[in-house]
Amino acid sequence: EAGVVQSPRYKIIEKKQPVAFWCNPISGHNTLYWYRQNLGQGPELLIRYENEEAVDDSQLPKDRFSAERLKGVDSTLKIQPAELGDSAVYLCASRWTGGVQETQYFGPGTRLLVL
Amino acid sequence: AQRVTQPEKLLSVFKGAPVELKCNYSYSGSPELFWYVQYSRQRLQLLLRHISRESIKGFTADLNKGETSFHLKKPFAQEEDSAMYYCALKRGSQGNLIFGKGTKLSVKP
Repeated sequence: EAGVVQSPRYKIIEKKQPVAFWCNPISGHNTLYWYRQNLGQGPELLIRYENEEAVDDSQLPKDRFSAERLKGVDSTLKIQPAELGDSAVYLCASRWTGGVQETQYFGPGTRLLVL
Repeated sequence: AQRVTQPEKLLSVFKGAPVELKCNYSYSGSPELFWYVQYSRQRLQLLLRHISRESIKGFTADLNKGETSFHLKKPFAQEEDSAMYYCALKRGSQGNLIFGKGTKLSVKP
């Protein structure tokens, strides 16, 4: 089992350019999370999906960020246009909401640098 | 407001010494707390959760509702314990986690 897969692992772009991140959760996990982790901080939730429905996007900056999870499996997070302050690690996590202990499993993250 | 505070950015101890990583929380409901760990070049992973009352890799953590704390402890630190440790609070029944800023544990030989 590869665990949660994310790509790309690293991305360097100039400000005002668009960027997209992709996440493939663990097979069978119905809940998917996107987090942003700024330098020296803990992860902060951006959006949570239950299957294909975004059930909590209150922390997602909707003027420039968008996300989708077609068919309730893979997910894409997009930023357009990127700003300098978007430089961070973007983490994807997944969870199966059916067990006694519902653990979130994290991907390796995408490190974004906006110049 | 719901909040998790880890007051130490860096904790440095010698191998074999006891270690305690502090975590305080602010939450109006019944809290569910976790410790996550990130070893060098590895992904963030769950270390332990308070409801399990388990010991993982020699680490334990007890929820103290009176002091609103969930400190992580190990009696004898090992070099392989060197990592970033994050305390997290589960908000509500839906599983959203609120993380602290993390503490970097460095265990010296």
